[in-house]
Amino acid sequence: EVQLVQSGAEVKKPGESLKISCKGSGFDFTNYWIGWVRQMPGKGLEWMGIIYPRDSDTRYSPSFQGQVTISADKSISTAYLQWSSLQASDTAMYYCARRPSLVAVAGNYFDYWGQGTLVTVSS
Amino acid sequence: QSVLTQPPSASGTPGQKVTISCSASGSNIGSKIVSWYQQLPGTAPKVLIYSNNQRPSGVPDRFSGSRSGTSASLAISGLQSEDEADYYCAAWDDSLIGQEIFGGGTKLTVL
Repeated sequence: EVQLVQSGAEVKKPGESLKISCKGSGFDFTNYWIGWVRQMPGKGLEWMGIIYPRDSDTRYSPSFQGQVTISADKSISTAYLQWSSLQASDTAMYYCARRPSLVAVAGNYFDYWGQGTLVTVSS
Repeated sequence: QSVLTQPPSASGTPGQKVTISCSASGSNIGSKIVSWYQQLPGTAPKVLIYSNNQRPSGVPDRFSGSRSGTSASLAISGLQSEDEADYYCAAWDDSLIGQEIFGGGTKLTVL
């Protein structure tokens, strides 16, 4: 069974750093792209970026470039999303999701999603 | 960069057919790969339609997708109470580095 299991909810203060994780199981983690999607409270979905764990090829949305870092450790089938200095505006639910392809018509969509990690940033 | 516009809300009664539109500004959605995601309250999104009109296994055939010109549509026939959710269209934008653009979402209420 394909699963993406994300790390638990976090409460942080402005200026703190944070790294959340997304562990895949039930599939070859190196054969799929893993993306991150933000959902601010009461708002819609926003693409943040995506990584191919086999070679760490990473693409960022221009809106998030320089604001977050996406990484992966293929040896433990885990992708990460990290911040060096959180702001209150980073308060949101963050989802990781699996994407079979970025080019093939038949696979260019998120087919499995993690359960989400709620990040709350408040002083 | 394309912007995808959805109606903020839609509604229908059980058994009805409801259609949710997704229009693109700045580009022709007819040249893009469109997906639709359903997000039930308090849960992660789930893909309903991919490659414009394909359903993953397990998605009822009450859900169908189409694409034409500058808009795409999700149709839900035989509306059920459990269909009450937020629905998002998404299109792959390969104009720059490549990214998924999401529509703003449509909240479907089953009356």
